[in-house]
Amino acid sequence: AAGVIQSPRHLIKEKRETATLKCYPIPRHDTVYWYQQGPGQDPQFLISFYEKMQSDKGSIPDRFSAQQFSDYHSELNMSSLELGDSALYFCASSPASSGNTIYFGEGSWLTVV
Amino acid sequence: GQNIDQPTEMTATEGAIVQINCTYQTSGFNGLFWYQQHAGEAPTFLSYNVLDGLEEKGRFSSFLSRSKGYSYLLLKELQMKDSASYLCALLKMDSSYKLIFGSGTRLLVRP
Repeated sequence: AAGVIQSPRHLIKEKRETATLKCYPIPRHDTVYWYQQGPGQDPQFLISFYEKMQSDKGSIPDRFSAQQFSDYHSELNMSSLELGDSALYFCASSPASSGNTIYFGEGSWLTVV
Repeated sequence: GQNIDQPTEMTATEGAIVQINCTYQTSGFNGLFWYQQHAGEAPTFLSYNVLDGLEEKGRFSSFLSRSKGYSYLLLKELQMKDSASYLCALLKMDSSYKLIFGSGTRLLVRP
């Protein structure tokens, strides 16, 4: 079965650079979530989208922005990168009608040097 | 808020049974998830409880008591591959569904 696809899987950027992460949800899932997980920490909710509109916002820095496109894929844009942004970024998707079927992608490792 | 507390680490022996507890304080939630996460990998779904009681899935069972603000994950016949972090997460519905994770419990299974 198709899963949540994230790209790139690994990314190395320098401080003050910009990074973009992509997420392709499971087919027929119209809701996308972004989470950030630092080393040894639990996943922290960043932002979510439903039907291409932002539906909820968590602890997302102002330097980060995200959007969901007409094909339901989502992109997380991170600018002015800081060392503390180094983390594993997960995307998850679910059908809006069923919150109990939230599935995670494999994650994108971002290392800021 | 919804403080979610789990023990930081647990150790158990291969073939044994282990119970991982999760306590929370929240004003309301739709359900409670348990996820397994190996280092550097995505959380994988284990169980979901909506109503009070026990949900059993093979070697894994999860229990929820809303009145006590308490859940546990029970792992039976432990295998070495069960060494991982186990995350308790509350499903909240605000403007959309949102998972709020606990800090996770690192389980080490020893021979």
